[in-house]
Amino acid sequence: NAGVTQTPKFQVLKTGQSMTLQCAQDMNHNSMYWYRQDPGMGLRLIYYSASEGTTDKGEVPNGYNVSRLNKREFSLRLESAAPSQTSVYFCASSEAQLGEAFFGQGTRLTVV
Amino acid sequence: GQQLNQSPQSMFIQEGEDVSMNCTSSSIFNTWLWYKQDPGEGPVLLIALYKAGELTSNGRLTAQFGITRKDSFLNISASIPSDVGIYFCAGQPVGTYKYIFGTGTRLKVLA
Repeated sequence: NAGVTQTPKFQVLKTGQSMTLQCAQDMNHNSMYWYRQDPGMGLRLIYYSASEGTTDKGEVPNGYNVSRLNKREFSLRLESAAPSQTSVYFCASSEAQLGEAFFGQGTRLTVV
Repeated sequence: GQQLNQSPQSMFIQEGEDVSMNCTSSSIFNTWLWYKQDPGEGPVLLIALYKAGELTSNGRLTAQFGITRKDSFLNISASIPSDVGIYFCAGQPVGTYKYIFGTGTRLKVLA
C-alpha cells in the first residue's frame, strides 16, 4: 500500500513564485492535514480538512491556501513564496474517529 | 494556542539502557500518539492511546495515557543503536480533528 504520497519531494522556488504541493492517500481516510516542520519547532499545523468539502485553519495558515479536491487528495498552495516558508512540509491523513494520523515522506522546500 | 511540552529535548544513552520521555499539555486530550522520525523521512506511528490510564506496549516500547488526560509517557527498554531518531508526542484536543505536536526528543544511542 502506498499510504500517503506527496509530490514533489524537493523544490526550490524564487521569492514571489507560486507552487502547489500535492498529497494523495489511498486509505479511504476522511481527514487530511498539512504540517510544516522547522528545526527545533516540531510539526506545526497549517490547514486541515476534517472531511471532504471542508477545510479549516491550523496554527500557521498565513501565506497558504488549500483545496480538498476529493476524498483522496488535499493540496497546499503557496501563492507568493517567501524565504520564511522554507521548510519541510508533511501531509497526513486519519480516519478521524480512530485518531491515528499517518504521514507522507515530506516535501523539502527552499525559497531563495 | 495549545502547546505540548515535551522533555527531554535530547538525550545520549548507552546501548542497553532504558529511556523515558514525556509530554504535558495545558488542556485535556482525547488521544495521545507517539511517533518516531528518522532523517529524511516522515514520522512513523509507534503507539496510539485512547483512554485515560491506558498502558500500551509495542515491543520494547511502552506508553501511558495519563490519568489527568493532560500528559503521556513513553519508555524504551534495553535501547539499541537503531532507536536513534526524534520521538514526537502528539495529542488530539477534545472536540477537534487536529493533532498538536510536541517539539520532539532527539535520542542518540552510544554503542
